[in-house]
Amino acid sequence: GAVVSQHPSRVICKSGTSVKIECRSLDFQATTMFWYRQFPKKSLMLMATSNEGSKATYEQGVEKDKFLINHASLTLSTLTVTSAHPEDSSFYICSARDYTGGDRNYGYTFGSGTRLTVV
Amino acid sequence: EDKVVQSPLSLVVHEGDTVTLNCSYEVTNFRSLLWYKQEKKAPTFLFMLTSSGIEKKSGRLSSILDKKELFSILNITATQTGDSAVYLCAVGDIQGAQKLVFGQGTRLTINP
Repeated sequence: GAVVSQHPSRVICKSGTSVKIECRSLDFQATTMFWYRQFPKKSLMLMATSNEGSKATYEQGVEKDKFLINHASLTLSTLTVTSAHPEDSSFYICSARDYTGGDRNYGYTFGSGTRLTVV
Repeated sequence: EDKVVQSPLSLVVHEGDTVTLNCSYEVTNFRSLLWYKQEKKAPTFLFMLTSSGIEKKSGRLSSILDKKELFSILNITATQTGDSAVYLCAVGDIQGAQKLVFGQGTRLTINP
């Protein structure tokens, strides 16, 4: 079945630095990927929709200059948290749409998530 | 604005009990409703529902959708400690990228 690999699974960085999170579709082409943020004991909040070869669509209230999304190929989307602050500490999860069918997740496959801690 | 509301937010029961989790939604262009189980990492898929009144079943779990009343329930019978998790309901819209809007989740704890 469709697999999405997300890396790193955990990262600790200093305040003011930038962190890049990668999301790869391993056995299918993902023209659309979604980036979510999850606070402790809260649900997934959609941050942006990433489209291959074009600009990402950000949800209301998400700073696009702070959370840079690049979807340069059909198998890779990256989220860069720029000038990270402690309040950016969270669990970030990507999801890719698989349009090829036959996927028991009916087209939404999630990465394993990245826990970001900014100190 | 699309909205998905789950209840209860938290539930603690004993092993062997049956639980019902609720999900109501307000979505402009409904396509599907999905249930996920989340333990420590990413959500794992349980069910996708698109039609009213058709029960989906997988072992001790079942789910049904009511598109007239805009809600879905997830039932778990003969609960086990391994069922302890956060259960997320998400609704997919029919337009554009068909993104998912998630509810707040129900934290289910099964005590032995």
